[in-house]
Amino acid sequence: QVQLVQSGAEVKKPGASVKVSCEASGYTFLRYYIHWVRQAPGQGLEWMGEINPTGGATTYAERFQGRLTMTTDTSTGTVYMDLSSLRSEDTAVYYCARVCCGGSYGEFDYWGQGTLVTVSS
Amino acid sequence: EIVLTQSPGTLSLSPGERATLSCRASQSVPSSDLAWYQQKPGQAPRLLIYGASSRAAGIPERFSGSKSGTDFTLTISRLEPEDFAVYYCQQYRSSPRTFGQGTKVEIK
Repeated sequence: QVQLVQSGAEVKKPGASVKVSCEASGYTFLRYYIHWVRQAPGQGLEWMGEINPTGGATTYAERFQGRLTMTTDTSTGTVYMDLSSLRSEDTAVYYCARVCCGGSYGEFDYWGQGTLVTVSS
Repeated sequence: EIVLTQSPGTLSLSPGERATLSCRASQSVPSSDLAWYQQKPGQAPRLLIYGASSRAAGIPERFSGSKSGTDFTLTISRLEPEDFAVYYCQQYRSSPRTFGQGTKVEIK
C-alpha cells in the first residue's frame, strides 16, 4: 500500500535550518510529484511547493523563495524539505503529499503523517 | 493567485442532518480542478472529492460535490458521528495551489 512516512518532530532556534524527510513506499517513486503543505497551530493549510522526483525540478511558493529547498534521494525513495532562516512564524506541522495520477497538477491522494517543527529561542 | 473563500466558518449540526459547505473561487478554476479534504484533530488531511464531484476511493456515498460557475459545494447527506471535522477545498490547476480557510462541522 502507498505510504509516506515523515521524520520526527524538531525543535529549532530562530535563524537555524530544518530538514524534514518523507520516505515513499508502495508505488513507483519516480512517477509522482511530491508537494509540501504546512499548517500553523490552529490555522489552515498552506502550500509550500513541489518537486518532480524525476530530475528534481522544483517550484516554490513565492513567499518561501530563497529559504526553501526540496531534494530527492531516488535510491531510497525519499524527498527532503529544507527550510532555512527559521522564525517563530514557521512553527507548524509540515506535510508531504503525493499528487495523484502523474504530472504536476492533480489532487493530493496520499499524505504523510506530518512533522511538527517548533521554532523557539 | 486563485483565492478560495469557504463559508460558513463553522457549521453546528446534529447527527443525521444534512451539511452544505461552500467554496467560492476568486476566478475560474480550470477544468473543475478542485478537491475537498477532511481533517480531524491530530491527523493529516484526507482526500474526499476531486474534479469537483468525483469521490475518492473508499469515500462513502453520503459525500458529494458539485460546481456552479465559480462556486463549489460539498454536501454530506446525513451526518455520521465520524464526519464532525474540518473541511478544506483546494484548487490544483493553477500555481500556487491554494486552499480555502476551512469549514468546521461541529456537533450541535
